Amino acid sequence: NAGVMQNPRHLVRRRGQEARLRCSPMKGHSHVYWYRQLPEEGLKFMVYLQKENIIDESGMPKERFSAEFPKEGPSILRIQQVVRGDSAAYFCASSPTISGANVLTFGAGSRLTVL
Amino acid sequence: DAKTTQPPSMDCAEGRAANLPCNHSTISGNEYVYWYRQIHSQGPQYIIHGLKNNETNEMASLIITEDRKSSTLILPHATLRDTAVYYCIAPSYYGGSQGNLIFGKGTKLSVKP
Repeated sequence: NAGVMQNPRHLVRRRGQEARLRCSPMKGHSHVYWYRQLPEEGLKFMVYLQKENIIDESGMPKERFSAEFPKEGPSILRIQQVVRGDSAAYFCASSPTISGANVLTFGAGSRLTVL
Repeated sequence: DAKTTQPPSMDCAEGRAANLPCNHSTISGNEYVYWYRQIHSQGPQYIIHGLKNNETNEMASLIITEDRKSSTLILPHATLRDTAVYYCIAPSYYGGSQGNLIFGKGTKLSVKP
């Protein structure tokens, strides 16, 4: 029973390139969340998605960042034209439901380094 | 989210109980209290949650005061591997759905030999 799978675990990009981070939720989970953790800082909520829908993107930077969770396949966090300030750990979490108690299961994270 | 207040750091001797407090005086009646932890730079790990009653699982116990304004996470026999940042979170509940988890600064627990 695999947990939340994130890949790649480590990604190096040069300034101006694109970064794509993938997240496969736990089996049976239809809700996906993305968080970002800058070096030596706390976890910051970015976006919450259900299949084919963005529910809350209040934490997403206005430009260059986008997220999707298609009907088939993993959720993708896409960062265009990366800058050094995008270097961070990006964590994905999934949950089965949001009614009542909503326990999130987190992945191991994807660490982006922008040169 | 109901605002939560935690001490920034705590120490605990290995083998002793670690009691981590959290104040959430503005919590609403239908808002759960969740505890997560993050060991070094790993992904956050769910520990336990509760609404009104005290809860216990294989990892920890959660004691919630009767007025629900505060709670305490108890690790009964702390080990060095429990050294982590512990987060107390009380997400808002609106429109029949629970809001996202907003992580604060948490409590950095250091378990010492």
